[in-house]
Amino acid sequence: NAGVTQTPKFRVLKTGQSMTLLCAQDMNHEYMYWYRQDPGMGLRLIHYSVGEGTTAKGEVPDGYNVSRLKKQNFLLGLESAAPSQTSVYFCASSSRNQPQHFGDGTRLSIL
Amino acid sequence: TQLLEQSPQFLSIQEGENLTVYCNSSSVFSSLQWYRQEPGEGPVLLVTVVTGGEVKKLKRLTFQFGDARKDSSLHITAAQPGDTGLYLCAGAFGGYNKLIFGAGTRLAVHP
Repeated sequence: NAGVTQTPKFRVLKTGQSMTLLCAQDMNHEYMYWYRQDPGMGLRLIHYSVGEGTTAKGEVPDGYNVSRLKKQNFLLGLESAAPSQTSVYFCASSSRNQPQHFGDGTRLSIL
Repeated sequence: TQLLEQSPQFLSIQEGENLTVYCNSSSVFSSLQWYRQEPGEGPVLLVTVVTGGEVKKLKRLTFQFGDARKDSSLHITAAQPGDTGLYLCAGAFGGYNKLIFGAGTRLAVHP
C-alpha cells in the first residue's frame, strides 16, 4: 500500500535554481494538496487541486506553481528558488468528505 | 483570515502524568481533526470530530469538540513514552476538505 509518495525526499538548491517536486497517489482521490511546514508554524496550504486539470491557490501560493495533468499526480514547481522557501513540503490527497492522507515529505534547503 | 491557536507549544512530562492540549479559534469549523506526526514522516490522522459538544475516545486519548465548533481539546491519561510526538489540530473550512492547521504541540514523555 503505497498511499501518497513524494519524490525526492531531500534536495539542496542554490538561490535562483528551479526544481519540481512530484506527488503521486494510488487511492484514486479527487483532491490533492501541497503544504509547507516550518518550525513553530504548523502546515500551511500552498496550492490545491479538486480534480484533473484544475488548481487553486491556498494560503501561501507566491513563488510556487502547480500542475495536475493526471489524476494521480500533483506537481509543485519552484521557478526561481529563494532561501525563504527552505522548508519541509508535504503532499496530501483525499476524497469528498474523507480525511487527508499525507506523504512523508520533501526536505528542501536553498542556499 | 482564519487562525487556529494551539497550546501549549511544548510539553515535557513524566510517564504516568495526564495532559491536555488546546486548540482555539474565533472561527467556526465544519469539523476538526487531530493528527500525530513522527520525525521524518507525514501527519497521521487520529480522530475527526464533527458535532458541537462531541467527545471521542481512542484508548487513553479523549478528544472534545466545543459546543460552538470553535475549539477542541485533546486529553491524554497516564501518558507513556510511546505518546511522544508532534500533535496537530486542523480545522476544515471552505469545502474540498481544505484544512487550516494549528502550530502544533511537541510532547515528550520521559520514562
